[in-house]
Amino acid sequence: QVQLQESGPGLVKPSQTLSLTCTVSGGSISSGGYYWSWIRQHPGKGLEWIGYIYYSGSTYYNPSLKSRVTISVDTSKNQFSLKLSSVTAADTAVYYCARVDSSGWRDWYFDLWGRGTLVTVSS
Amino acid sequence: SSELTQDPAVSVALGQTVRITCQGDSLRSYYASWYQQKPGQAPVLVIYGKNNRPSGIPDRFSGSSSGNTASLTITGAQAEDEADYYCNSRDSSGNQVFGGGTKLTVL
Repeated sequence: QVQLQESGPGLVKPSQTLSLTCTVSGGSISSGGYYWSWIRQHPGKGLEWIGYIYYSGSTYYNPSLKSRVTISVDTSKNQFSLKLSSVTAADTAVYYCARVDSSGWRDWYFDLWGRGTLVTVSS
Repeated sequence: SSELTQDPAVSVALGQTVRITCQGDSLRSYYASWYQQKPGQAPVLVIYGKNNRPSGIPDRFSGSSSGNTASLTITGAQAEDEADYYCNSRDSSGNQVFGGGTKLTVL
């Protein structure tokens, strides 16, 4: 079955760029009908959608993070990536990658999630 | 931007029925999906669409919607249902929003 796995540094210095990769296994990232998403969760808080990408490269970003976020896809490696620039301590969170089923226009839902990776922003 | 509002905490006696609600303007046009999250774990999809359960989700979980309110109902709550529950929907711009989450305690 399809699985997602986040990878990347667990510690990032303030003002630098946070970079994470999500590797999709057991299925093709180029399958139609799915967006590939990043979500984060601050310690003890709720879920915050960061953005998502279609295999063609079409992206949507959370308006509150849009100026600092770039999500890209590498279909040859079956991976998609997150870059968040100019990070501060407020960006410390568990970052999840997830698959979004977008086959129905009234219901898009996150049907598969990675296990998440904690990223701490600290000098 | 869109917002979804949930009660922060709800409790239910073991074996009883509990409803967790989610309010937001986007729910007038788009279905909510619901996620269960236990401590230290990733969220798990429990309800999507009109009232659909992914494979492996017990049938005591059900969903409904009316106007700007979506509901997740657990009929005969079990101890293992104690968790945080999040609603989510898309908006007309193609963006996603999550509710603030409801902490369910099973007494």
